[in-house]
Amino acid sequence: EAGVAQSPRYKIIEKRQSVAFWCNPISGHATLYWYQQILGQGPKLLIQFQNNGVVDDSQLPKDRFSAERLKGVDSTLKIQPAKLEDSAVYLCASSLELLGSGYTFGSGTRLTVV
Amino acid sequence: KQEVTQIPAALSVPEGENLVLNCSFTDSAIYNLQWFRQDPGKGLTSLLLIQSSQREQTSGRLNASLDKSSGRSTLYIAASQPGDSATYLCAVLGGGADGLTFGKGTHLIIQP
Repeated sequence: EAGVAQSPRYKIIEKRQSVAFWCNPISGHATLYWYQQILGQGPKLLIQFQNNGVVDDSQLPKDRFSAERLKGVDSTLKIQPAKLEDSAVYLCASSLELLGSGYTFGSGTRLTVV
Repeated sequence: KQEVTQIPAALSVPEGENLVLNCSFTDSAIYNLQWFRQDPGKGLTSLLLIQSSQREQTSGRLNASLDKSSGRSTLYIAASQPGDSATYLCAVLGGGADGLTFGKGTHLIIQP
């Protein structure tokens, strides 16, 4: 089975610019997650979707971050405007269902804000 | 709020040794626990998934145990090899809509 696809792999932008990341989950996986991993830390959940609805976005900085999952398949995460502290790896994951099944992660997008 | 702690933060051992990585969590009301491996600059690779009703899972040289009541899990790696060098992350899935909660990881180096 194909894994979780993410693009781009790397992105360097200047502060105050905008950036978007794309994720395509494993076919048939209803639940999709975006995580932020700062260097030396474990991943932190930003938002999770069940099909095309938001289950939890309590840790998403909504003044600058937005995410959508149109048609319940692939998803985009956007940052506008970016800050230096947004430098991190952004990981997308999917699971078959909300509870009980394991997560499969993509390779991530490494964002550097200068 | 669930908190996950991994000990040790870093470990360096010679090749061939058996080793144990520890994970503890504060809220025992979990659905499952998952161990991941992360290589530098890469995403997370799932190693083992233990459901809350299970006590352990095995895959090759890896064995993970779960003691839900005490909030602990261990990852046992037998006959370590240099290719096992990576960061190992423990994550628990709680009952709320919080997704997986991760520890900070154990950075493992296996010396040839």
